[in-house]
Parts: sequence; C-alpha cells; structure tokens
Amino acid sequence: DGGITQSPKYLFRKEGQNVTLSCEQNLNHDAMYWYRQDPGQGLRLIYYSQIVNDFQKGDIAEGYSVSREKKESFPLTVTSAQKNPTAFYLCASQTGNGGNQPQHFGDGTRLSIL
Amino acid sequence: AQSVTQPDIHITVSEGASLELRCNYSYGATPYLFWYVQSPGQGLQLLLKYFSGDTLVQGIKGFEAEFKRSQSSFNLRKPSVHWSDAAEYFCAVGAGWSGGYQKVTFGTGTKLQVIP
Repeated sequence: DGGITQSPKYLFRKEGQNVTLSCEQNLNHDAMYWYRQDPGQGLRLIYYSQIVNDFQKGDIAEGYSVSREKKESFPLTVTSAQKNPTAFYLCASQTGNGGNQPQHFGDGTRLSIL
Repeated sequence: AQSVTQPDIHITVSEGASLELRCNYSYGATPYLFWYVQSPGQGLQLLLKYFSGDTLVQGIKGFEAEFKRSQSSFNLRKPSVHWSDAAEYFCAVGAGWSGGYQKVTFGTGTKLQVIP
C-alpha cells in the first residue's frame, strides 16, 4: 500500500543537539514538503523539494536543514539554531502532474525539548 | 499573496445534526481548494478538492463543499454528523503548479466536537 512514513513518532531534543526526522514515500512523487504545525497556527512550510538534489526554503526555514539524495526520502534536521523546536512536524508529497492533485501527508513526528 | 480564513476555532454539534464549517480564501486567480481532516496525533487526510467544473464537490465520509467565487468561500457541509467526525478540519488554497511544486496555504483549523 502506497504512502508516506514518518519516524520516529515522538522525539526529544536536548539543548544544543541536532535531531533528524525521517520521511519516506513510496508513491513515486516528485515533490516533497516539510511543514511545522503549532496549536492555532495551522501548517507552515519549512522546506520543499521538487526533484532529487534540489530543495528550496519555505516560509520558516531558519534553524532547519534538509537533503534530497533519493526521490523517496526527504529527511529534516532540526538544528540547535532553532530555539523553539517544540511542534508537530508533517511531511507531505505530491505528484508532479499539476496542482489539481493534492498533497499526501504522513502521520507526523512530535518533537519536544528535554 | 494567498490566504485562508477559518473564522470558527471551535464548533460543537449534536450527533445527527447538520454541520457547516466556514472557509474564506484570498487568491488572485482561480484557486485550487482543499479540505483536510486531522485526528489527534495524526496526519492530514484529504476530504475533497475543487479546481474546476461543478461548484458543488462531493468528498469522502459524506462531506460536500460548495465553491462560491462571488463570496470567495468554500464551506464544508455534512447533513448528519456522526461521533466519529470529531476532529480538526483544515481548509487550504493552492496556487497553480509552478517550478515543480505547488504553494499551498492552510487555514488555522476548526475543531469539531460532537455531543451525544
């Protein structure tokens, strides 16, 4: 069954530590996205990638980094520069056939500070 | 810039009652419109989408939405709510596909509580 897998489901970060959130899709989608969700704020775009080895900053990229070495994988690193990382992180993917196809979402990773 | 407004933060309805969740958008061209549902601790599931054609769109789980260009609205409706519909609902507006991706802007969500 095709879908998006995010891991881990829960993650804890210590001060000064970098942590990496995994996102894997087997939908053969070209575009992938990372969103941050905070209560009452909806979803905000962190990074997106249209194709392997290419990615662009979204609206709130500071303190985050990504890579796209394989079509199916788009990991997000939350660096120590992100001073308020506690949030729910959602990964999405989308086929490259046009805007009428919706984004598909994983089940998210909840990141907390220790 | 595109934007979405969901004016109701929380809505409570009785099981079996009808439901309407409001969504207003701002976008300079013909928008791509979506409604998603999110259960606690889960990702977003697509309920329905609109990009052209019939302005009344049918979705999964008995939901429908109507696109009204003159009012810049895309309200979600269900004639009879079930307890399992309790969740958070997000309206979203998408720009056209450009440069290999689609800019999608999400509303802040409406939490639905269903009482027996």
